[in-house]
Amino acid sequence: GDSVTQMEGPVTLSEEAFLTINCTYTATGYPSLFWYVQYPGEGLQLLLKATKADDKGSNKGFEATYRKETTSFHLEKGSVQVSDSAVYFCALWGAQKLVFGQGTRLTINP
Amino acid sequence: NAGVMQNPRHLVRRRGQEARLRCSPMKGHSHVYWYRQLPEEGLKFMVYLQKENIIDESGMPKERFSAEFPKEGPSILRIQQVVRGDSAAYFCASSQQESYEQYFGPGTRLTVT
Repeated sequence: GDSVTQMEGPVTLSEEAFLTINCTYTATGYPSLFWYVQYPGEGLQLLLKATKADDKGSNKGFEATYRKETTSFHLEKGSVQVSDSAVYFCALWGAQKLVFGQGTRLTINP
Repeated sequence: NAGVMQNPRHLVRRRGQEARLRCSPMKGHSHVYWYRQLPEEGLKFMVYLQKENIIDESGMPKERFSAEFPKEGPSILRIQQVVRGDSAAYFCASSQQESYEQYFGPGTRLTVT
């Protein structure tokens, strides 16, 4: 079945550092891909999405490019802020349901 | 416009008791999804419901778990005779139609002692 694998966390960075969180997927066909963010005590929020190969999703300085050759959708941000501290989930839409990775906890220190 | 509401936010049950988790979808949303997040794991799909219908329950354990979404009122996820392995965060999401455009609630954290 469909699956999503994220880099293991937790990840700790200093403010203004460059961020990459790796995500790869296994699926039949070319599913839509997503990054969700979960702030402490809150539900998941959609951060960005890409619906076809080579699409780049972007929001709040975060970007991810749908790479079908490597079946990847890595999340990047050029300069992180303390307010970016959260748990990040990569996900795909397959067989009419969302399939999530295990999540990566990100902590940004001032 | 209120988002997806879940209650209670925290629930403690002893082994063998019943747990009832409630989810009120966003206004105008008639599709509800339930997910479970075990410690150190990602969210796993459990069940997809529309008003008065279960559409897909392929992720639900075969025993002790049930879900409903009545014509009036919130969706309910019911776990009978809870065991320690049921301890997890349970998330509800809603949408206007069957879609990845889902809005998530804050979750209910169930602890079984």
